[in-house]
Amino acid sequence: QKEVEQNSGPLSVPEGAIASLNCTYSDRVSQSFFWYRQYSGKSPELIMSIYSNGDKEDGRFTAQLNKASQYVSLLIRDSQPSDSATYLCAVSQTSYDKVIFGPGTSLSVIP
Amino acid sequence: DADVTQTPRNRITKTGKRIMLECSQTKGHDRMYWYRQDPGLGLRLIYYSFDVKDINKGEISDGYSVSRQAQAKFSLSLESAIPNQTALYFCATTADTGELFFGEGSRLTVL
Repeated sequence: QKEVEQNSGPLSVPEGAIASLNCTYSDRVSQSFFWYRQYSGKSPELIMSIYSNGDKEDGRFTAQLNKASQYVSLLIRDSQPSDSATYLCAVSQTSYDKVIFGPGTSLSVIP
Repeated sequence: DADVTQTPRNRITKTGKRIMLECSQTKGHDRMYWYRQDPGLGLRLIYYSFDVKDINKGEISDGYSVSRQAQAKFSLSLESAIPNQTALYFCATTADTGELFFGEGSRLTVL
């Protein structure tokens, strides 16, 4: 079983819709969770980090964490064509531990 | 200037050659990582280092070695390159939060 799993996509949503990206992880003691966005040919950049159960909002982005279900998601509201990218979920046991990535989900926002 | 600099950005080499990819950072972070990215596989951890005297193997360390020459420098070597090491390689750094800052990537092609 892979440590971090994501649907590879591609996920297509119309402009203005909500995009929902999901991630599951296998290590129950994981405490730190991250979402990165990667445009084609570019390096990943951090969008959100979340450490506690529940929701964390930042602008159009909301990260949701459920440690009991070992599940973390990213919602993008009012999706824009500029959101078209690959979204990478990353997990570490603590903020002091190695960071492991999922395979990424490709998102396409259709104008 | 970029906070995390990788050299070379692109390299084509032949099977059996020794290759070194270099990474330097100006962020003052103690922790440095080397990841490999292949299409559909996300980022896979090769090696990581939490300080100059600390080197740890990641998920896919076979065929690779690293050197942490200073806090700001972390090099990845392929002693005898093979075609399945053709990939995009990323160096990253982090402080205590686990949030990663990436270099621009080094694209390696082994013929």
